[in-house]
Formats: sequence, structure tokens, C-alpha cells
Amino acid sequence: EDKVVQSPLSLVVHEGDTVTLNCSYEVTNFRSLLWYKQEKKAPTFLFMLTSSGIEKKSGRLSSILDKKELFSILNITATQTGDSAVYLCVRMGNFNKFYFGSGTKLNVKP
Amino acid sequence: GAVVSQHPSWVICKSGTSVKIECRSLDFQATTMFWYRQFPKQSLMLMATSNEGSKATYEQGVEKDKFLINHASLTLSTLTVTSAHPEDSSFYICSASGGPTYNEQFFGPGTRLTVL
Repeated sequence: EDKVVQSPLSLVVHEGDTVTLNCSYEVTNFRSLLWYKQEKKAPTFLFMLTSSGIEKKSGRLSSILDKKELFSILNITATQTGDSAVYLCVRMGNFNKFYFGSGTKLNVKP
Repeated sequence: GAVVSQHPSWVICKSGTSVKIECRSLDFQATTMFWYRQFPKQSLMLMATSNEGSKATYEQGVEKDKFLINHASLTLSTLTVTSAHPEDSSFYICSASGGPTYNEQFFGPGTRLTVL
């Protein structure tokens, strides 16, 4: 089973809030876990996580992977309205195939 | 770098006709291209994986005779939706791998197909 489960499905916050998005997966052939941001069209790359326990950071966004517990979180601090998007968690399996989670829709209100 | 384009960006066609969607890697050679479809308010679903010069590998439940994929060169893959029906209406996105970061996939802007 290659299920990737994200929670919450939808989230509404105000600017300045901090949010944590969750992703859990069922490993069959794990290579990496990735996070993408999708606004109107194509997803844009955020992070690729391969090693457990090592936080990756880019500005106000950070992410970490726990390969023992099979989950990852994406944190966004000091949210802005431009962070409003669907955030997709992706498990990369064999042959570089991507298995997408259902996504978390984040709405940041001014 | 690592730009992927798709053409057309939007297509409307009549039921029963075939539609071809192109996916191009503009500044790198894509050894592998992937095709996804996305229904409204749903996530991307992998349809097939195509490697240059070989037959595409389809995911379970995806009809290979319905969705013809050709990966003729290292910069071009095409998806042809044959005998399209309204239920084929969807957002089709391609991605390409083989760029600067090999494992990473670079996504095209997508093609919205509406079948009347």
C-alpha cells in the first residue's frame, strides 16, 4: 500500500500565526519524502527529506522527517497571505515514482 | 534552469475526438517523464512513467490504449487522450526528471482538458 495521509485537510489561520502540517505514510519502497506547494497550477518544490531527524529550513518554512514513526511535518512560521495554497506531501518510491497525499489546503487571512 | 512546458494549456474538445498534450523540458534532458491527472479539489494521481525510447509504464487502473504516451526524445513526451469522453475532463500535469538534481521532478504548468 502506498498511501500518503495528510492532516488537516484544510486550515484557516490569520497572518502571523504558526502552522504545522502533518504527513504520514506507509512504507513499501521508501526513497525520499518531498513537500510541494500548489497554488493555481503546477506544484512547486519546497523540500526533499531523505534522512531522519535532520531539519531542512528555507526562510519561514521548515520540515523534518521521522523514518521510524513514518511521518513528516512542515512548519510555517509568521504566516502571510501569500502562503495560502495547497501543500502536498509526496513519497518517492522506486523508479522515482511520486505518490501524492491528498494535500492540506491552507488559507491565511489578513 | 529546469523549466518544463506543456502545450496546450487549455483545450476543449467534442466527445469522441482525440487530444494530444505535449510536455517539453526546455533546458535539460529528461530521461524520465511522468504524467499525472488531477480532479477538482483532489491531489495529483500518477498515471504513467515514460522513459525515452521505451514503452511507458502505466499505473494500475490506467488504460494504456486510452492514454497513449510517446517519449520520442529526451526533451519531449506526449500524452494522447483517445476517443475522449466527458469523464476524461481533468487537469493533466507532466513532470520531468533528469535535471540538475536527479531525483527531483520538475512540473509543467498543466493542461486543462474539457470534453463536451
